[in-house]
Amino acid sequence: QSALTQPPSASGSPGQSVTISCTGTSSDVGGYDYVSWYQQHPGKAPKLMIFEVTKRPSGVPDRFSGSKSGNTASLTVSGLQAEDEGDYYCSSYAGSNNLVFGGGTKLTVL
Amino acid sequence: QVQLQESGPGLVKPSQTLSLTCTVSGDSISRAGHWNWIRQPAGKGLEWIGRISSSGSTNYNPSLKSRVTIAKDTSRNQFSLELTSVSAADTAVYYCARDPPNLVWLFDYWGQGTLVTVSS
Repeated sequence: QSALTQPPSASGSPGQSVTISCTGTSSDVGGYDYVSWYQQHPGKAPKLMIFEVTKRPSGVPDRFSGSKSGNTASLTVSGLQAEDEGDYYCSSYAGSNNLVFGGGTKLTVL
Repeated sequence: QVQLQESGPGLVKPSQTLSLTCTVSGDSISRAGHWNWIRQPAGKGLEWIGRISSSGSTNYNPSLKSRVTIAKDTSRNQFSLELTSVSAADTAVYYCARDPPNLVWLFDYWGQGTLVTVSS
C-alpha cells in the first residue's frame, strides 16, 4: 500500500488558521472514518490530536479540528500558537487489518 | 497513567534478527485493546509494523509480514517484536503504542521510542 499524501510543509502566523490535507484513496481515507492525526515535536513520540476524523481526545485544545471530504482528510489549527509548531502525521485504516500513515507535514509558526 | 517502555539492542548486524520488548504499566495487555509497533527512520515518516490483541491475535503490515512476529508475555505485561533478515533500511526509531479498548486504529499512548541501527 502507499503512504497517504500530505504537503511537506505548512505555515502561518500566530493567531491565524492553517489547514493540512491528507489525501488517500477510496480504499483507505475515503472508505473508512478511522482517520487520526498526530503531532510530533523533535525527539519526542507522536501525540494523538484527532481520531475518527473529527473527535478530539481529552486535553487537546478545541483549536484543533478534523474533517473529511471524499478521499481527503484535513486538520485545521485555528488561533495558531508557537507551541503548535512541529510535524503532523495523518493515519487511516486501509482495510484488511492494515493501517497506513501519511508522509508528514512540518508546520511552522512564523 | 498508562506508560510504555521499549527495550532491546541498539545495534543489530545485517541479516540478523531485531528483537525488542515493550513493557506496559498502568494497564493490562490482557484487557481489551491492541498493542502496536510503529517505526520511524531518521527524518522520515511513521510506518505501522503490526499489532497484537489482548486475546493474542496478530495483524501485520503486508510489506513486512514475511519478516515480522509480534508476541506477548501476559505474566510480565510485555509484548515483543521480532524482525528477521534486517538491512540498513530497517534502521529507525521503534515505538510501541496502545490502541485503546473500545476504539480502533488509533494510538493514544506511546513509548518514548528506541533507536535501532543496522550496521556491521
